[in-house]
Amino acid sequence: QVQLQESGPGLVKPSETLSLTCTVSGGSISSSSYYWGWIRQPPGKGLEWIGSIHYNGNTYYNPSLRSRVTISADTSKNHFSLKMSSVTAADTALYYCARRAYGDPFDPWGQGTLVTVSS
Amino acid sequence: DIQMTQSPSSLSASVGDRVTITCRASQSINSWLAWYQQKSEKAPKSLIYAASNLQSGVPSRFSGSRSGTDFTLTISSLQPEDFATYYCQQYNSYPLTFGGGTKVEIK
Repeated sequence: QVQLQESGPGLVKPSETLSLTCTVSGGSISSSSYYWGWIRQPPGKGLEWIGSIHYNGNTYYNPSLRSRVTISADTSKNHFSLKMSSVTAADTALYYCARRAYGDPFDPWGQGTLVTVSS
Repeated sequence: DIQMTQSPSSLSASVGDRVTITCRASQSINSWLAWYQQKSEKAPKSLIYAASNLQSGVPSRFSGSRSGTDFTLTISSLQPEDFATYYCQQYNSYPLTFGGGTKVEIK
C-alpha cells in the first residue's frame, strides 16, 4: 500500500525559500495513473491546494501561489519536491503531500509537516 | 476559480443525530466532488468521491448526494468517532479548491 512522507526544515526565515520533499513508498511516482500534489493548512484554518505534478512532468499550480512555487519530481529517488520562495509568516502551515488519480480525490495523504516562518 | 461554499461552518449535535453538511459550487463541477474528514489536524481522510461514492472501508452511515451545483454530505446516525471537521473539494478543474470546512462538535 502506498505511503507518503513529508520531510524538510520545520523553520524557515522570512524571505527565504521553503523546501520540502515527499518520499513515496509502496508505489512508483512514475505511474501514468497518478498526480502528486501538495496541500497546506495554516494553523486553525482550512485546506489550500498548492499544486500538483504528473509523472510526465506536467505541473499545475494554484494561481495565487504560482509565482513563488515550483514542484518537481525525481523518479530515481521516487520522491517529489516543493519549493516556495520569498516566504512570509502567512506561509506558516502544516504542509501535506498526497496522491490523486484522474477522476479521484486525494488519497492517500502524508502525515503532514509543520513549517514555521519566523526569524 | 471555482468557489466552494460550505455550510454551516460549525454545528453541535448529539450521538445518534442525523447531520447534513452542504457544499455549493460557484459553477458546474459535474459530480467531481469529494468529501474529507479531518480530526485534530491529522491528515484528511477521503470519505466520498464523485459526489456519492463511498470510499472503501467508510461506514455506510455516511452518504453523499448532488443536486446541480449543490452537494450534501449526510451522516445518518452520528457516532462518537464522527466528531471532526469535514471538507468538500472540487476536482473538476484547476485550481483544485476546498470548501471552508464544517466542524461537527458534541452537543
